[in-house]
Amino acid sequence: DTGVSQNPRHKITKRGQNVTFRCDPISEHNRLYWYRQTLGQGPEFLTYFQNEAQLEKSRLLSDRFSAERPKGSFSTLEIQRTEQGDSAMYLCASSQDRGYTGELFFGEGSRLTVL
Amino acid sequence: KQEVTQIPAALSVPEGENLVLNCSFTDSAIYNLQWFRQDPGKGLTSLLLIQSSQREQTSGRLNASLDKSSGRSTLYIAASQPGDSATYLCAVNLNDMRFGAGTRLTVKP
Repeated sequence: DTGVSQNPRHKITKRGQNVTFRCDPISEHNRLYWYRQTLGQGPEFLTYFQNEAQLEKSRLLSDRFSAERPKGSFSTLEIQRTEQGDSAMYLCASSQDRGYTGELFFGEGSRLTVL
Repeated sequence: KQEVTQIPAALSVPEGENLVLNCSFTDSAIYNLQWFRQDPGKGLTSLLLIQSSQREQTSGRLNASLDKSSGRSTLYIAASQPGDSATYLCAVNLNDMRFGAGTRLTVKP
């Protein structure tokens, strides 16, 4: 197992374009999280899945953002009509849920730059 | 709403010193607390996980303690090395993980 994998690692786009990020969690992990991190700040929670069910969404996740996890495997995070304020590192993490006690493992992140 | 605070925001020490990083949280009903390390432009690397029923965890030169009742955790780094230079983040688990802003550590040779 190679850990949590995220693609693409870097994305530069023009304002108004749509972008999609993919996350492949550690294979036996049933929980998958998305976070956003800006320079000098800790990661901010966006949403998480238990298997294919999206259990919680932050108020940070505007209606331009959508996340899916079909079949409880990989997940995608799509941002529609990107804005310059969307520029950030998007981090994915996974854990094996054992009554909420599972250790969280992160991928290397996908850095988005909106021009 | 769970608030996580890390003090200090930045710390610079000479090589070989022992140091303590602090993390405080407002809601003590957590499942666990996890300490991470982040190098510039990289993802987060898990260092230590403390379950709510535990008081401390150790890994090599790192020791993390947890006092749930007072809403505090400390990360102790012994005999610091330049390779320890990074940002250290704590996160508390209350259904989802909430992070502090981190402590940026610089260890000078």
